Amino acid sequence: QSALTQPASVSGSPGQSISISCTGSSSDVGHNFVSWYQQHPGKAPKLMIYDVSNRPSGISYRFSGSKSGNTASLTISGLQAEDEADYYCNSYTTIAPNYVFGTGTKVTVL
Amino acid sequence: EVQLVQSGAEVKKPGESLKISCKASGHKFANYWIGWVRQMPGQGLEWMGIIHVGESDIRSRPSLQGQVTISADKSISTAYLQWSSLRAPDTGVYFCAICAHGSSDWPDWGQGTLVTVSS
Repeated sequence: QSALTQPASVSGSPGQSISISCTGSSSDVGHNFVSWYQQHPGKAPKLMIYDVSNRPSGISYRFSGSKSGNTASLTISGLQAEDEADYYCNSYTTIAPNYVFGTGTKVTVL
Repeated sequence: EVQLVQSGAEVKKPGESLKISCKASGHKFANYWIGWVRQMPGQGLEWMGIIHVGESDIRSRPSLQGQVTISADKSISTAYLQWSSLRAPDTGVYFCAICAHGSSDWPDWGQGTLVTVSS
């Protein structure tokens, strides 16, 4: 099972909106079980979006998720300095161990 | 919310064995999946395998079968990741995470265990 494809880096100025794509196949992203994780250096990943577009309690409304076909997207609106981190998509897949991460995207706030 | 506490950092030599742990508290442990995720230095996240604690159903990354063993002891709410013979490429941070049965997201994570394999 190969990792899902994400852009290596995305950048934006404070206040702007950015989007991160996550491309897979009908065996993974096509199942609608896509989640997104934020990881700051030296820290554990943090769940930001689950089941494509749902936000866990406590996650800012500035984070939103969507999907079209086999490509999911994470949008961060009103970019803030604290959003600078690595972001990973994750999807259920029919292939063991039943989950696969994306390649990861480094978000830089200019 | 479930709290996951992992065992401390380890420094080992190639060929040595190692077992790291992930202890859960704050919720019933039996109806959850525990996953192990590897992050090699400067690299991304990679699933190693998952285990359903109550049913001992284990699903491992095919390329790692025979190299690592995933297990759990539901009586003490603890999951394990074990190597019988470490290699230098096993160096990295290993995270555990928990997912409720029937769900597909992993909301709670351990703090990570740094494993360094060097001669």
